[in-house]
Amino acid sequence: AQTVTQSQPEMSVQEAETVTLSCTYDTSENNYYLFWYKQPPSRQMILVIRQEAYKQQNATENRFSVNFQKAAKSFSLKISDSQLGDTAMYFCAFMKPVGGTGNQFYFGTGTSLTVIP
Amino acid sequence: ETGVTQTPRHLVMGMTNKKSLKCEQHLGHNAMYWYKQSAKKPLELMFVYNFKEQTENNSVPSRFSPECPNSSHLFLHLHTLQPEDSALYLCASSQVPLGAYSNQPQHFGDGTRLSIL
Repeated sequence: AQTVTQSQPEMSVQEAETVTLSCTYDTSENNYYLFWYKQPPSRQMILVIRQEAYKQQNATENRFSVNFQKAAKSFSLKISDSQLGDTAMYFCAFMKPVGGTGNQFYFGTGTSLTVIP
Repeated sequence: ETGVTQTPRHLVMGMTNKKSLKCEQHLGHNAMYWYKQSAKKPLELMFVYNFKEQTENNSVPSRFSPECPNSSHLFLHLHTLQPEDSALYLCASSQVPLGAYSNQPQHFGDGTRLSIL
């Protein structure tokens, strides 16, 4: 079974500063996807960024970027120029494609990020 | 108002009881989900329904039985639960199913806090 570990239950960062959230995973699969999701108090789960395992280049989305180390099974999220709206719970997730019936998702325990004005 | 309503908010039941959790979404979404969230444990995706077709994400014990009579309603039937099943059970919905290239947010309800005596 796949496992996803987020070792930082809570983090805080000053507004405009940079913060890195860590995530490690364990799998024997070669074809998979990794995600970071954001869940603000509104209770929507919003996709922040995705990484295909077969791609060596780290994904970036505006102020969000990842450091994907496939051999080390590490997938950290860097948030640059932190904004108050970034305050949320962040979940790291692993997805294994399953033909026909869909995909299987495994989530971490979450990291609660607070951006301090 | 999140658009996803779960009832009851709290439920205490004995191990021999049978109860059901209800979820209703008013967002016109096609996919609905059941999650289990236990303290300090990973967020666990239990079941996924897409257009009322079920996909089981993880190996969920048979004492949990989902039902999706239509795309707006989702139930989780519970019977002969164990103490380790005590957790927050979250329902969510999204326009398209959670997947590798789905950018649609999931909308979560407030959850049912379940306690097994």
